[in-house]
Amino acid sequence: DVKVTQSSRYLVKRTGEKVFLECVQDMDHENMFWYRQDPGLGLRLIYFSYDVKMKEKGDIPEGYSVSREKKERFSLILESASTNQTSMYLCASSPRGGGNNEQFFGPGTRLTVL
Amino acid sequence: SQKIEQNSEALNIQEGKTATLTCNYTNYSPAYLQWYRQDPGRGPVFLLLIRENEKEKRKERLKVTFDTTLKQSLFHITASQPADSATYLCALDLDSSNTGKLIFGQGTTLQVKP
Repeated sequence: DVKVTQSSRYLVKRTGEKVFLECVQDMDHENMFWYRQDPGLGLRLIYFSYDVKMKEKGDIPEGYSVSREKKERFSLILESASTNQTSMYLCASSPRGGGNNEQFFGPGTRLTVL
Repeated sequence: SQKIEQNSEALNIQEGKTATLTCNYTNYSPAYLQWYRQDPGRGPVFLLLIRENEKEKRKERLKVTFDTTLKQSLFHITASQPADSATYLCALDLDSSNTGKLIFGQGTTLQVKP
């Protein structure tokens, strides 16, 4: 059973803290993605990676950074958490190739920044 | 810029009826269109993919159409059941660079009443 796992289902942090969200996939996928999902705004792409150590900005990269040191792991970092980063964060992966490949999603991390 | 729109109003139907959800897009000609199901508090799960040269695709009680002239996809669930209640997202492949990036609609929530 293929899987994308995320380190936490729920997370509460304080403003200004550095936050790490971890995502691991066991499908040997080249592509990995980080999204945030907010009511009425849908899924918005923060960053994605198409290979180890490669990363590209998505639509809303400000305030975030990513790391991909190993193929199976893609980390999202909030350098200094702010209340407007309270959201549901979703990680996904897909095999190498274009939009003809489905994305496999993790269960999500609901982050609250106080 | 590319824009993808789904009906933000919830769709309420009676069990046994056919549910039809709409996905419209502008300023783009995607090669692929995908549909996902998302349950509350969970990550999206892939359902169907349709290519630009396919008019229709079926999978069990699901049917997707893709009209590249109207720039529209319709997603049908026949003989709907309460277990079909969820939010349904459409997604388009964003570019031809084989990164696998998708742009998602904000989703339509379907409620099937017994």
